[in-house]
Amino acid sequence: SQQGEEDPQALSIQEGENATMNCSYKTSINNLQWYRQNSGRGLVHLILIRSNEREKHSGRLRVTLDTSKKSSSLLITASRAADTASYFCAAGNSGAGSYQLTFGKGTKLSVIP
Amino acid sequence: NAGVTQTPKFRVLKTGQSMTLLCAQDMNHEYMYWYRQDPGMGLRLIHYSVGEGTTAKGEVPDGYNVSRLKKQNFLLGLESAAPSQTSVYFCASSYSWREGFQETQYFGPGTRLLVL
Repeated sequence: SQQGEEDPQALSIQEGENATMNCSYKTSINNLQWYRQNSGRGLVHLILIRSNEREKHSGRLRVTLDTSKKSSSLLITASRAADTASYFCAAGNSGAGSYQLTFGKGTKLSVIP
Repeated sequence: NAGVTQTPKFRVLKTGQSMTLLCAQDMNHEYMYWYRQDPGMGLRLIHYSVGEGTTAKGEVPDGYNVSRLKKQNFLLGLESAAPSQTSVYFCASSYSWREGFQETQYFGPGTRLLVL
C-alpha cells in the first residue's frame, strides 16, 4: 500500500509564484524524503528531513514535517518553468535490519512561463 | 561516475516470454532496489537487496525474481511475462542504513516494458 499520499495530484501556477505540495503518511518514520521526476526520467533526490526535525531548507525548497499529524509539505519559492515535473514524497523507515522508502503517487507541477 | 545504469531502455515482450533487466551502479552502494511505476501511481517496491548475495521481497514481488551475484549489479527477471507487468521499471541504489547517514536513493533512467 502507498504510505505517502500527495495533495494536490496536479498543480498549475505562473512562473514566479510559490508552489506548495502536501504529503501524508501512515506509519512511524525515520525520515521523509522528497524526489523530483522529469517526464520520462528517473527520480532525483531533493531533500530529506528526519523525524526529529520540523523544518529544513535547501535553496528555494522548504520542507516541513509534523509527525503528530503524519504530514509533510514541500514549498518551492519563486517557481521557474524548469521546475515543471512530478514531485514525490517517500516515507523512510527501518525494520528487520533494512531500510525502505514507500512512495506516494506524486504531485504533477506545471509552471507556466 | 555513470551512477546507476539500466539495460535495456525499452523492450516489447509477448505474453509468456522471459527476460532479464540489468541494473549496474558504480558508487559502491550496498543497497539496491527494483521498483515499478504505473500511470498515476508512485513507485512500488518489487524486490531489494541489502548486500551481495542477499535479496528480499518488497511490496509487489509476485511474478519477478532477482539476483545480486555482484555488489554492483542487481538483476530483475520475469520468467513468464504477463500484460499486467507492462510498466516502467526503475532501479535504485543507496548506502546501507545506519543512524545519521543520508539514506538517499539514486535512481537509474528506467526501462519501459510492454507486454502484449
